[in-house]
Amino acid sequence: EAGVAQSPRYKIIEKRQSVAFWCNPISGHATLYWYQQILGQGPKLLIQFQNNGVVDDSQLPKDRFSAERLKGVDSTLKIQPAKLEDSAVYLCASSLWGGVGEAFFGQGTRLTVV
Amino acid sequence: AQTVTQSQPEMSVQEAETVTLSCTYDTSESDYYLFWYKQPPSRQMILVIRQEAYKQQNATENRFSVNFQKAAKSFSLKISDSQLGDAAMYFCAYRTSNTGNQFYFGTGTSLTVIP
Repeated sequence: EAGVAQSPRYKIIEKRQSVAFWCNPISGHATLYWYQQILGQGPKLLIQFQNNGVVDDSQLPKDRFSAERLKGVDSTLKIQPAKLEDSAVYLCASSLWGGVGEAFFGQGTRLTVV
Repeated sequence: AQTVTQSQPEMSVQEAETVTLSCTYDTSESDYYLFWYKQPPSRQMILVIRQEAYKQQNATENRFSVNFQKAAKSFSLKISDSQLGDAAMYFCAYRTSNTGNQFYFGTGTSLTVIP
């Protein structure tokens, strides 16, 4: 089966610019996660969707970050305006709802803000 | 929220030897799931092994096995016959069994395999 697809793989922007990341989860996976992984740290959940509804966005900096999941499938994560501390890898993952299913991850997008 | 602690930022092992990575977690739930993920330099997180909390038997996947101590809230990963390809970051993860389906990750252990 096809895995979780993310694009772009790399992005370099200047501070105060905007950027968007795209994720296509595994077909049939109702749950979609966006994680931020700063170098040397573990993934930190930014937002979790169940179909097209938000389950948890408690750690999403809502003044600059936004995310949507259109029709419960693809998702986009946007940062506007970007700050230097947003430099990180942004990981998208998906999983089946319930059961013992693990999260399947994409390859991530490495964002550098200069 | 649940917390996951990995107290070993870095570990090293000789090729063909055995290494154990530690993980502890804090939870008030009785039913949950635990995972070990591997993240090589390519960045993609790959599942290594999983454990359901209601199962007393420790999970095993080829050279990888866990020591799950529910009362102690400990979940260590043992890698036997270490290979060069095992070098990576390893993350311990906890998943709730309630309707939230949230995953919580530790800070990771960087494993170096010495030829």
